[in-house]
Amino acid sequence: EAQVTQNPRYLITVTGKKLTVTCSQNMNHEYMSWYRQDPGLGLRQIYYSMNVEVTDKGDVPEGYKVSRKEKRNFPLILESPSPNQTSLYFCASSWATQETQYFGPGTRLLVL
Amino acid sequence: AQKVTQAQTEISVVEKEDVTLDCVYETRDTTYYLFWYKQPPSGELVFLIRRNSFDEQNEISGRYSWNFQKSTSSFNFTITASQVVDSAVYFCALTTNTGNQFYFGTGTSLTVIP
Repeated sequence: EAQVTQNPRYLITVTGKKLTVTCSQNMNHEYMSWYRQDPGLGLRQIYYSMNVEVTDKGDVPEGYKVSRKEKRNFPLILESPSPNQTSLYFCASSWATQETQYFGPGTRLLVL
Repeated sequence: AQKVTQAQTEISVVEKEDVTLDCVYETRDTTYYLFWYKQPPSGELVFLIRRNSFDEQNEISGRYSWNFQKSTSSFNFTITASQVVDSAVYFCALTTNTGNQFYFGTGTSLTVIP
């Protein structure tokens, strides 16, 4: 089954404790992206990747890191999480930038 | 800069009514792509439609229809004879040929009352 998976689905952590949210797709997609969803703000792009080893900032990259060492994986790293990073996070992938993105199920993060 | 505006934050309709969700976009690019996604209460994001800037034909898919008007920079979504299962948050999104980012609107929360 073609899908985008994210882990964990739910995470509660404390300020400053490094965490990684994994994202994997099995569709051989070139483009992958991370978004955060906050009430009243819609989805905002954090980082995206055009291909392996090619990443770039979206609209809200502060406090996040990403890497794309393999085509199928695109982890999101919070080196020192803060409460304002409490949010719902979505990973997505597509064949190319202008193509339809398919989303993972989301990761709900609470930073205390 | 690119921008998507969904001015309707929340809409409530009674079942079987028609409802239109508005989407206004801004871009200077001549080639761009517009999307609609649905987010039901379960939280996943479901793709509904993709439209490129050169295709202004309206599209109908069952009870769903989309009206793309370049003259007003709008890509509106109409649900005919709404049903309770249509209750969801709907997002409009934009990307362009010259950029690599996706821009989402803030979403419209639709509640269909039985």
